[in-house]
Amino acid sequence: GNSVTQMEGPVTLSEEAFLTINCTYTATGYPSLFWYVQYPGEGLQLLLKATKADDKGSNKGFEATYRKETTSFHLEKGSVQVSDSAVYFCALSDRKDDKIIFGKGTRLHILP
Amino acid sequence: EAQVTQNPRYLITVTGKKLTVTCSQNMNHEYMSWYRQDPGLGLRQIYYSMNVEVTDKGDVPEGYKVSRKEKRNFPLILESPSPNQTSLYFCASSPLLRTGGVYNEQFFGPGTRLTVL
Repeated sequence: GNSVTQMEGPVTLSEEAFLTINCTYTATGYPSLFWYVQYPGEGLQLLLKATKADDKGSNKGFEATYRKETTSFHLEKGSVQVSDSAVYFCALSDRKDDKIIFGKGTRLHILP
Repeated sequence: EAQVTQNPRYLITVTGKKLTVTCSQNMNHEYMSWYRQDPGLGLRQIYYSMNVEVTDKGDVPEGYKVSRKEKRNFPLILESPSPNQTSLYFCASSPLLRTGGVYNEQFFGPGTRLTVL
């Protein structure tokens, strides 16, 4: 079946550091890929998405590129801020399967 | 304001006492889903619904029931809660694309923290 694997946290960085959170997936069909962010005490909200190979999703300085050859969708940001501290989830939806699969989440701490 | 609402936000109950967590969305979305979030396990799908009267099991459906009698509502029912159902629960909704099931983003409710003693 489909699955999503993302790097375990917590990840602790200093403000203005470069961020990468790895996400790889397995899927039998042609999935869409998503990154969601969960701020403390809140529900998840979409950060960015990509619906086909080589698409790049971007939002709020974050980027991720859908790499079919490596089955990856790594999240990157060039200069993180304290306000980026949150839990980040990689997710997959596949038109051959109505279920939506989430990774386990990566907690990010940004130090001032 | 477009939103997904859940009630209650916090609930402490005892083993075996039936409870219902309500979920409602005002965006006319076809797809609705329930998740539970547990430390170290991330978000796991309990049940989902593609439209009114159409529901299906997710990855962890045991001990839960759902119904979809109206498009906007998707309640989660725990008929006999047990301590291992202590968790943070999220409801989400999403429109379905007409081109064949490649889903748009999901919109999440604020969560319901359930404790079963």
